Amino acid sequence: GAGVSQSPRYKVTKRGQDVALRCDPISGHVSLYWYRQALGQGPEFLTYFNYEAQQDKSGLPNDRFSAERPEGSISTLTIQRTEQRDSAMYRCASSPTLGQGEEKLFFGSGTQLSVL
Amino acid sequence: AQSVTQLDSHVSVSEGTPVLLRCNYSSSYSPSLFWYVQHPNKGLQLLLKYTSAATLVKGINGFEAEFKKSETSFHLTKPSAHMSDAAEYFCAFTGGGNKLTFGTGTQLKVEL
Repeated sequence: GAGVSQSPRYKVTKRGQDVALRCDPISGHVSLYWYRQALGQGPEFLTYFNYEAQQDKSGLPNDRFSAERPEGSISTLTIQRTEQRDSAMYRCASSPTLGQGEEKLFFGSGTQLSVL
Repeated sequence: AQSVTQLDSHVSVSEGTPVLLRCNYSSSYSPSLFWYVQHPNKGLQLLLKYTSAATLVKGINGFEAEFKKSETSFHLTKPSAHMSDAAEYFCAFTGGGNKLTFGTGTQLKVEL
């Protein structure tokens, strides 16, 4: 596609519900990253994939958070039993290279999650 | 610990005047440094990056940044601000891995 697409754009859910956030990267991009951005803060790394392999999930806050990218394209970030502290903007980014720490990331517009 | 610090949470300039957004880094080795811009309801967009080549890096939209190892700084500048530059700016680095670590951001306001 023309850019990184994330859906839904906004998600409002009740505490305790599960949510799934979707990221459709730029076609052909091999790496995919998830970030979380709280209000007034910079984005914080959650996890990333090279193709379908999850390379690093050290930024996932706890075991309620999981991510997958089964076919090396679309990715889903799932949050189980949501809590109010999970409210944030969730951003996805993709890159055409496997990454040596110098690559350019292309970011989507994000999913704004609100947990009531 | 490796980190970046953006010294100003808000900067306000008049249109046509210079812009200076400050960023200092802390790293035990030479990091790759980036500046990203975030306009409302848009994704972050890369302005420029430093990867141990030239210390003065030119980016898009007239922005540039200079890597100063002696000062551990990577400040973002532009000679003349435009109204369209109003946005939030993030300094970031990768310290040898593939994860970007972002600063807390600087909100740039451009006034007539």
